[in-house]
Amino acid sequence: AQTVTQSQPEMSVQEAETVTLSCTYDTSESDYYLFWYKQPPSRQMILVIRQEAYKQQNATENRFSVNFQKAAKSFSLKISDSQLGDAAMYFCAYLSHASNTGKLIFGQGTTLQVKP
Amino acid sequence: DVKVTQSSRYLVKRTGEKVFLECVQDMDHENMFWYRQDPGLGLRLIYFSYDVKMKEKGDIPEGYSVSREKKERFSLILESASTNQTSMYLCASSFQTNTGELFFGEGSRLTVL
Repeated sequence: AQTVTQSQPEMSVQEAETVTLSCTYDTSESDYYLFWYKQPPSRQMILVIRQEAYKQQNATENRFSVNFQKAAKSFSLKISDSQLGDAAMYFCAYLSHASNTGKLIFGQGTTLQVKP
Repeated sequence: DVKVTQSSRYLVKRTGEKVFLECVQDMDHENMFWYRQDPGLGLRLIYFSYDVKMKEKGDIPEGYSVSREKKERFSLILESASTNQTSMYLCASSFQTNTGELFFGEGSRLTVL
């Protein structure tokens, strides 16, 4: 069975600085997707960024980028130029390409604090 | 915009009560999910449904049941609430196409006394 591990329960960053959130996963599959979701306080969880395992190029979305290391089964999220609105809980998630149901496996979450 | 609406943001119930959590989505999504969120444990899947009247157990279905009579509505039922079911419950939906993008509701925080 696949597992996703986020070993940093809490992180903090100064506004305008860069922070990296870590995620590791375990799978025997070669084809899968990885995601970072953001859950702001008292608001809906939203998708931040998506990576397909067969793509070597790291995904980027504006200030958000990932460092995908397939052999190491590592998938970290880098937030550049951190803003107060980035404060949230961030979840790493895994989806098997073989899944036809869209069932994601989530990590434990990392709470990010942004200091002004 | 996709909207997933959960009927109650906060509920307080007593042990043994029957609890209904309702979720409605307006994007004609085939898939709907109920997750439970607990500190340090992340999100764990309780049940999901890929079509009307179709359901499958997730990782922690014990003590829960679900109902999907209409495509847009997915209900989570706690037949006899217990204190260990105190948690945040998140509903999500997605298209059948396997993109992995889930659309979430705001969550229902349930306290069982």
